[in-house]
Amino acid sequence: TQLLEQSPQFLSIQEGENLTVYCNSSSVFSSLQWYRQEPGEGPVLLVTVVTGGEVKKLKRLTFQFGDARKDSSLHITAAQPGDTGLYLCAGAPGNQFYFGTGTSLTVIP
Amino acid sequence: ETGVTQSPTHLIKTRGQQVTLRCSSQSGHNTVSWYQQALGQGPQFIFQYYREEENGRGNFPPRFSGLQFPNYSSELNVNALELDDSALYLCASSLLGMGGLGSPLHFGNGTRLTVT
Repeated sequence: TQLLEQSPQFLSIQEGENLTVYCNSSSVFSSLQWYRQEPGEGPVLLVTVVTGGEVKKLKRLTFQFGDARKDSSLHITAAQPGDTGLYLCAGAPGNQFYFGTGTSLTVIP
Repeated sequence: ETGVTQSPTHLIKTRGQQVTLRCSSQSGHNTVSWYQQALGQGPQFIFQYYREEENGRGNFPPRFSGLQFPNYSSELNVNALELDDSALYLCASSLLGMGGLGSPLHFGNGTRLTVT
């Protein structure tokens, strides 16, 4: 059982398209993080959000934390093949992080 | 700065056996968390250790146990292995005490355990 549900589970798009990944929960989190994981490696942190309604941008990636701190979204503009990977959200109700179900993104050149 | 290292990288065990996985934390980090990850899915939280004490546990049976040493390295022990224990086991270190908010997890590349 995972506290965080991500959608979609799989996503295959053409290079240059835009996409949004969603992370939802019924729990309130003190902070939420997004990670990207490539095959054979551990997840790598992309961003941390801590304030309800917060929006953070990292080049072509835009992250938003829901006002109630229960959900988050990741928007990628003009996706590139290098964006391919497993995207994971992780929420901390306390000091431990619980991960979402994951979104596997493939960007086709 | 030394990153998180895990050993071994791959391991094959037989059902009913016991296994010990090892993790060296990133320098300066005082907390280690262990996760189990099935292929293509998100990591499942097993437990966290802070200052050599278990500081939180996910929904895993007691045959999953751990240790954290004074140098903040850690071990994950699994007894009476079952086929469903086959997975990637990830260790992540972090620094607790920064208000408990958003301390990033730094992951190793995991140990791939196969139980036959």
